[in-house]
Amino acid sequence: DGGITQSPKYLFRKEGQNVTLSCEQNLNHDAMYWYRQDPGQGLRLIYYSQIVNDFQKGDIAEGYSVSREKKESFPLTVTSAQKNPTAFYLCASKGLAADEQFFGPGTRLTVL
Amino acid sequence: SQKIEQNSEALNIQEGKTATLTCNYTNYSPAYLQWYRQDPGRGPVFLLLIRENEKEKRKERLKVTFDTTLKQSLFHITASQPADSATYLCAGNTGKLIFGQGTTLQVKP
Repeated sequence: DGGITQSPKYLFRKEGQNVTLSCEQNLNHDAMYWYRQDPGQGLRLIYYSQIVNDFQKGDIAEGYSVSREKKESFPLTVTSAQKNPTAFYLCASKGLAADEQFFGPGTRLTVL
Repeated sequence: SQKIEQNSEALNIQEGKTATLTCNYTNYSPAYLQWYRQDPGRGPVFLLLIRENEKEKRKERLKVTFDTTLKQSLFHITASQPADSATYLCAGNTGKLIFGQGTTLQVKP
């Protein structure tokens, strides 16, 4: 089955701890994205990558970091510098020749 | 700043009626607009894309329009069913996608 997976579905962390969210795709897509979704707000872009070993900041990159060592994988680290990390995090991918994005099922992060 | 705005109030309609959702964009001119469906606790799923030179696009019971004069896209679901109940997101491109906050549709039997 081709698709994009995120793990875990729910994640709880104590304030001050870094946490890494996983995103894997087997669609052979070059571009990958991380979004954050808060209640009543649209998806906001955190980071994106259009090619392996390269990535760019989105609109709300502060307090987050990413890596793109493999085409299939684009993990997101939420650092202790992120002031309000509790949110629903969505990963997406896109083929270079296409316009639509394919989303994963999301990870709900709660910081206690 | 570039914005995509959708009606944040939920839309409640009766089964069988046509649902119409609105998407307005400001401070830029997207080359295309996309519509996604999102169910609670899940990732969005792509539905339709309409380009700025297309007035209308259809897919089964779905219809999307793009009015560059009004800076608006309308998303219609005809013969709506309870299974159509979800949040619908509009997104416009600027090199990357800008998403609206979504409109929740509730179709009552």
